Amino acid sequence: QITLKESGPTLVKPTQTLTLTCTFSGFSLDTSGVAVGWIRQPPGKALEWLVLIYWNDDKNYSPSLMSRVTVTKDTSKNQVVLTMTDMDPVDTATYYCARRLLMAGHWHFDLWGRGTQVTVSS
Amino acid sequence: DIQMTQSPSSLSASVGDRVTITCRASQNIDISLAWFQQKPGTAPRSLIFGASGLQNGVPSRFSGGGSGTDFTLTINSLQPEDFATYYCQQHYAYPLTFGGGTKVEIE
Repeated sequence: QITLKESGPTLVKPTQTLTLTCTFSGFSLDTSGVAVGWIRQPPGKALEWLVLIYWNDDKNYSPSLMSRVTVTKDTSKNQVVLTMTDMDPVDTATYYCARRLLMAGHWHFDLWGRGTQVTVSS
Repeated sequence: DIQMTQSPSSLSASVGDRVTITCRASQNIDISLAWFQQKPGTAPRSLIFGASGLQNGVPSRFSGGGSGTDFTLTINSLQPEDFATYYCQQHYAYPLTFGGGTKVEIE
């Protein structure tokens, strides 16, 4: 069974750094054609893509957040870690991690974690 | 950035209806489009990739079409479990971008 699960703090203060961990099972981030991404969703709003990390350690960042976001992987632990600096109340959202697979020539988010709610407030 | 515009933003329908949702890209994205379903309080679920490829396990009443800038998601014979919000997403270029969503409600 393939699963992804996000974990981290539910509440952070403005200006603090957020660290979220995506722990996955049932696949390896050592395998060619596999990536893990982070996507967030503010309350009542649409989805926003943040970052991707590939099996070969290539990374793609959303330009609007590139200066604040870092992503790393630990293949021995089957984890991907998202770090976002200088948190602001507008960063309040549910944060999802998702597996991205190369499917019939298309990179696609085929499986998502349940998400973790993060509130930014003093 | 490629802007994705969905229409309508919401619609009301009855069980058994055929429903079509439209997604328009601000520039050509070939067939690099996916569709997701999201129910309240849950994670998005993959439905369609590559504009028309059906994700494993998704019922065949869901179908996707289109290319270039105009795409559709059609649900034939709407079922009670299909009432949800639907999002399109382009994977033609970075940054990856999503549409604003279409909420399908019970009439």
